[in-house]
Amino acid sequence: QVQLQESGPGLVKPSETLSLTCTVSGGSISNYYWSWIRQPPGKGLEWIGYIYYSGSTNYNPSLKSRVTISVDTSKNQFSLKLNSVTAADTAVYYCAHARGYFDLWGRGTLVTVSS
Amino acid sequence: EIVLTQSPGTLSLSPGERATLSCRASQSVSSNYLAWYQQKPGQAPRLLIYGASSRATGIPDRFSGSGSGTDFTLTISRLEPEDFAVYYCQQYGISPRTFGQGTKVEIK
Repeated sequence: QVQLQESGPGLVKPSETLSLTCTVSGGSISNYYWSWIRQPPGKGLEWIGYIYYSGSTNYNPSLKSRVTISVDTSKNQFSLKLNSVTAADTAVYYCAHARGYFDLWGRGTLVTVSS
Repeated sequence: EIVLTQSPGTLSLSPGERATLSCRASQSVSSNYLAWYQQKPGQAPRLLIYGASSRATGIPDRFSGSGSGTDFTLTISRLEPEDFAVYYCQQYGISPRTFGQGTKVEIK
């Protein structure tokens, strides 16, 4: 049974870089698309972007200038970097298996941007 | 970008009643690439429906999806206590993928 687990700092200072990793267990990361999605407290869902196991990416234009998603197939992991964060980037960040729709999600990790 | 508008914002119903949730797109969703999710407090969303009407694995048949083009509906035929949650629609016909703002189904 494939499972996803997000990891990374829960607190990031304004103007710094948010970095998260998603570890895929119980299956291979190869041959699939993987996504990051976020949800500010009490609000709705926002798609951040996706990556194919080969490394090709597609980002939400609203975040494209600040986002990098990468993959490490040897570790069965993919990662998110979001630069120049502000309080508006405070959210629960989810990683997910992407088929266009998202059929498998991690539990999510809360990242707070605050000094 | 396709904007998805869900209505109503909140639906107050009793267990056993029928729930009808609407999702309207700002432009046609190609190939009916429309999904529905259920989210309970403190949990990740769970996929219910994809392709507008196909139930995901393990989803009870009281959940059904319908619609095409710009108008889509999620129906819960008889509400069970565990169905009270927030529901989101999402389109994956074009990039960027977008979600509706959600409909909360609450106990009346």
